[in-house]
Amino acid sequence: QVQLVQSGAEVKKSGASVKVSCKASGYTFTGYYMHWVRQAPGQGLEWMGRINPNSGGTNYAQKFQGSVTMTRDTSISTVYMELSRLRSDDTAMYYCAREMGLLKAFDFWGQGTMVTVSS
Amino acid sequence: QSALTQPPSASGSPGQSVTISCTGASSDVGGYNYVSWYQQHPGRAPKLMIYEVSKRPSGVPDRFSGSKSGNTASLTVSGLQAEDEADYYCNSYAGSNNWVFGGGTKLTVL
Repeated sequence: QVQLVQSGAEVKKSGASVKVSCKASGYTFTGYYMHWVRQAPGQGLEWMGRINPNSGGTNYAQKFQGSVTMTRDTSISTVYMELSRLRSDDTAMYYCAREMGLLKAFDFWGQGTMVTVSS
Repeated sequence: QSALTQPPSASGSPGQSVTISCTGASSDVGGYNYVSWYQQHPGRAPKLMIYEVSKRPSGVPDRFSGSKSGNTASLTVSGLQAEDEADYYCNSYAGSNNWVFGGGTKLTVL
C-alpha cells in the first residue's frame, strides 16, 4: 500500500532554514510527481511546488521561488523540501502529497510535519 | 495566483444535501477540467474526494459528487452523515505547472 512518511516536528529560529523529508513506499517512486502543501495554524491549504522524482525537475509557486528547494534521493525513495530565511509566518504544517498520475490531483498525503519558527 | 473563493461555512441536517461552491477564473477553474476536492478532519491530513471535476476515487461514497459551470466548481454532499462534518478544500490546476487551493469551507452537520 502507498505510504508517505514524513520527518518529525521542527523548531527553528527566524532566519534559519529547515529541511523536511518524505519517504515513499508501496509504489514506483520515480513514476509520480510529489508536491508540497502547507497549512498555517487555523488556515487553509497552500500549494508550494512539486518535484519530478525521476528527473529532479521542479516547479515552484511564485511566492516561494528563491526560498524553497525541493530535491530527491532515488536510492531511498525520499523527497525533501528545504525552506530558507524562515519567518514567523512560515510556522505551519507541511505536507507532501503524491500527484495522481497525470490527473493533477493529490491522491496520497503524508502525515504532515509541523515547523515552528520562533524569534 | 489568487486563492479560489469558497464560502467559509456550510451546514445541513442529517439526510439533507449541501453544496459548496468554488469560484475561480478562466485561467484556472474555467480553463481546465482539473478541479479536485479534499476533505480534512481536525488534526488529519487532507483526503482526496473528487478529481477531474466529477470523478470519485475508489472508496469514496457516491454521496459525494462534483460539477463545474464556467469559472465555478461545486461539491455536493447528499444524505449528510455526522462523519461528513469536516473542512473541504477545492483545488484547480492553473496552467504552467501551477496549482491553487480554495480558502476552505467548514461543513457542519446540525
